[in-house]
Amino acid sequence: DTGVSQNPRHKITKRGQNVTFRCDPISEHNRLYWYRQTLGQGPEFLTYFQNEAQLEKSRLLSDRFSAERPKGSFSTLEIQRTEQGDSAMYLCASSLRSGQTTGELFFGEGSRLTVL
Amino acid sequence: DAKTTQPPSMDCAEGRAANLPCNHSTISGNEYVYWYRQIHSQGPQYIIHGLKNNETNEMASLIITEDRKSSTLILPHATLRDTAVYYCIVRERHTGGGNKLTFGTGTQLKVEL
Repeated sequence: DTGVSQNPRHKITKRGQNVTFRCDPISEHNRLYWYRQTLGQGPEFLTYFQNEAQLEKSRLLSDRFSAERPKGSFSTLEIQRTEQGDSAMYLCASSLRSGQTTGELFFGEGSRLTVL
Repeated sequence: DAKTTQPPSMDCAEGRAANLPCNHSTISGNEYVYWYRQIHSQGPQYIIHGLKNNETNEMASLIITEDRKSSTLILPHATLRDTAVYYCIVRERHTGGGNKLTFGTGTQLKVEL
């Protein structure tokens, strides 16, 4: 399968702990996006990368959140000092750069975080 | 990006056509209409997009009104596997801010026997 891969699929942690999620995009895709989705809501944009450069961050991305894409391939999303309000599905998506694509984003299955 | 309005839920009998409406009265001339769906516990999946002409692919058809203020996604023969939340999103095709999508709450389509 050459789709977007996310790990772990599920994470249960205690409040105050740090967690890290990994996303492996489709190999030729130079753009990578992180979204967060809570129950009953649509996905909310957090941040996106073009290659290794983080080009936009949402106001939702507090100081406790950090995302990296060091070599322009896989990406990690780290949440420090987790709070119960961080419980959500974290979705990763990838796409080609504008002009190379119809604008379609390919999403992974998501990483579900539960903070106790 | 223009705002969209969708009904929160719809039901459809299996084998019948599912017609999902979307209002986007403030759409601008260079904005496309995109449809994605999200099956329970999975990531969103692209379905189709269009600018002003009707579009069809192997998954669905997209009908956009002449004034472009509304559109309808048509699943011609709905199956139980089409039960999902369907999102209508309006966005420029090529944006300087990346191809990010702004999701609303979508329409929960339930296909029943």
